[in-house]
Amino acid sequence: NAGVMQNPRHLVRRRGQEARLRCSPMKGHSHVYWYRQLPEEGLKFMVYLQKENIIDESGMPKERFSAEFPKEGPSILRIQQVVRGDSAAYFCASSRQGNYGYTFGSGTRLTVV
Amino acid sequence: KNQVEQSPQSLIILEGKNCTLQCNYTVSPFSNLRWYKQDTGRGPVSLTIMTFSENTKSNGRYTATLDADTKQSSLHITASQLSDSASYICVVNDGSSNTGKLIFGQGTTLQVKP
Repeated sequence: NAGVMQNPRHLVRRRGQEARLRCSPMKGHSHVYWYRQLPEEGLKFMVYLQKENIIDESGMPKERFSAEFPKEGPSILRIQQVVRGDSAAYFCASSRQGNYGYTFGSGTRLTVV
Repeated sequence: KNQVEQSPQSLIILEGKNCTLQCNYTVSPFSNLRWYKQDTGRGPVSLTIMTFSENTKSNGRYTATLDADTKQSSLHITASQLSDSASYICVVNDGSSNTGKLIFGQGTTLQVKP
């Protein structure tokens, strides 16, 4: 039973390009959470999704950021027109139900040059 | 504003020694408090989870305590090992939300030296 899988592990984008980060939750988990960790800072909640639904996106920037969790396939965090300030580690976590049993992936490190 | 504050920011100890990390939180209402270990370049890994009714919980050489009245928690590491070098993060579950949103402290960076 593989853990939460995130890919790519490292992603380099030029300013203005799009970044797509993927997260495959653990088998049997239908809840996905995305967090962002800026350098020298703690993780910050971005968005919570269940299959095909966004439940809480209170931590998502209003522009350029979007997330989805389709019926089939991984959850995707999409950042359009990336800027240097988007450089960070993006972590995905999944759970079976509610707020117990969180398991984190190893993260995607986005660098915008 | 809900916050989770940790101290010290960083700590260096010798292998075999004990240490205690502190966490103060203002999150209210509060559902549960977790301690995570995050190795460099990796995702956080859960060490302990405590509800407001629990005072202490152990996981091997890690023992977490919780005082819900004073909103303080500590993580005690016994007989430290080199592999304990990592960031230790105090995390509080926002009880006002039933969505499982976690509020993270900034972590304490622990370095264990031989």
